Amino acid sequence: GQQLNQSPQSMFIQEGEDVSMNCTSSSIFNTWLWYKQEPGEGPVLLIALYKAGELTSNGRLTAQFGITRKDSFLNISASIPSDVGIYFCAGQLAGYALNFGKGTSLLVTP
Amino acid sequence: GAVVSQHPSWVICKSGTSVKIECRSLDFQATTMFWYRQFPKQSLMLMATSNEGSKATYEQGVEKDKFLINHASLTLSTLTVTSAHPEDSSFYICSAPWGALYEQYFGPGTRLTVT
Repeated sequence: GQQLNQSPQSMFIQEGEDVSMNCTSSSIFNTWLWYKQEPGEGPVLLIALYKAGELTSNGRLTAQFGITRKDSFLNISASIPSDVGIYFCAGQLAGYALNFGKGTSLLVTP
Repeated sequence: GAVVSQHPSWVICKSGTSVKIECRSLDFQATTMFWYRQFPKQSLMLMATSNEGSKATYEQGVEKDKFLINHASLTLSTLTVTSAHPEDSSFYICSAPWGALYEQYFGPGTRLTVT
């Protein structure tokens, strides 16, 4: 499968700041998902998006499924130290395996 | 719901030996599971799709005779790395789809080190 274009590659921010990252693809997907991975662990699903234009929140996290179905973004508001980790976007066609972005490494200083 | 486990969480083996990694869906059934490999500071790369009751589907460049997959039941898939070499050292992660639109849930991963 294709690897998605995810940016930025890394972010170093202060606690309390908002964070935004995005993901683009050359092809359309039916589902966009955002995962967080901490060192030595498997990815944990944060948000799943099912329809073009959909905007979904999970606590301080908000994600949107782009209208073209080829992009998505994730925002984290009022970041805290435990937000540290690598965030991956993933696109999925129905029932098939995921195509991942390269990840955004987030560091938050107190 | 949607808990996926893996065993072992880490394993060290000698070059030339085989290692089996288990992936279980604990509270749901999965006719399909996926196996990924992740090298340090890189993203997850799909290795193969495991299908209950039929052969696995391998991605291009993944040797099916080296990475044997068996989907023994609706809650268990195993990945066996045969004749392991140091370059097979990696983080192996499985996932299983669950929910109305089959979003994937991941296991905690298995760290394989081949010496």
